[in-house]
Amino acid sequence: DAKTTQPPSMDCAEGRAANLPCNHSTISGNEYVYWYRQIHSQGPQYIIHGLKNNETNEMASLIITEDRKSSTLILPHATLRDTAVYYCIADDFQGAQKLVFGQGTRLTINP
Amino acid sequence: DADVTQTPRNRITKTGKRIMLECSQTKGHDRMYWYRQDPGLGLRLIYYSFDVKDINKGEISDGYSVSRQAQAKFSLSLESAIPNQTALYFCATGSGGGSEQYFGPGTRLTVT
Repeated sequence: DAKTTQPPSMDCAEGRAANLPCNHSTISGNEYVYWYRQIHSQGPQYIIHGLKNNETNEMASLIITEDRKSSTLILPHATLRDTAVYYCIADDFQGAQKLVFGQGTRLTINP
Repeated sequence: DADVTQTPRNRITKTGKRIMLECSQTKGHDRMYWYRQDPGLGLRLIYYSFDVKDINKGEISDGYSVSRQAQAKFSLSLESAIPNQTALYFCATGSGGGSEQYFGPGTRLTVT
């Protein structure tokens, strides 16, 4: 699976959009980009995933560049409850889905 | 009720003891996974299973064994616990084909 690179930490003001970048320059054609988050030491929570088109759900939007080498997770109106570690993962959707979690981005939402 | 449950939620045990962590799911998924998380790090895969007869080693399987008793149940065992197995352990399920995984609440294991 392709390696992903994320900034170790980010801050965002409550109510503003939080934009979390992820680099996955070696991603292959069979690999989706997944985003999960982990609040405190709880089990990771799925947020969104995409292949090449931009995706939006009730939690977030995912913008994938045309060359698929990077993506951005957008939380449109961040709240204090969005403070968490966010993981960007590239995984082959035809494979075993052995998710490889890096160290993620620790997002802190400030009041 | 939660889709993925883990028992126990917390456990303290001594070096050399055998311990079993249990996971149950109500999602009806065929695939189940065990991950381990050390402080400040991401999750690492220990074992995974595609069905009752299909068990596979993950990245860090040494010192662990698993049992898939039924589609809904997947247990992780430490035959002889050692202190560096102190960690958070998560179970997850998935249906494959690119769909998301659902994680349990975790078991905090301390080996003294």
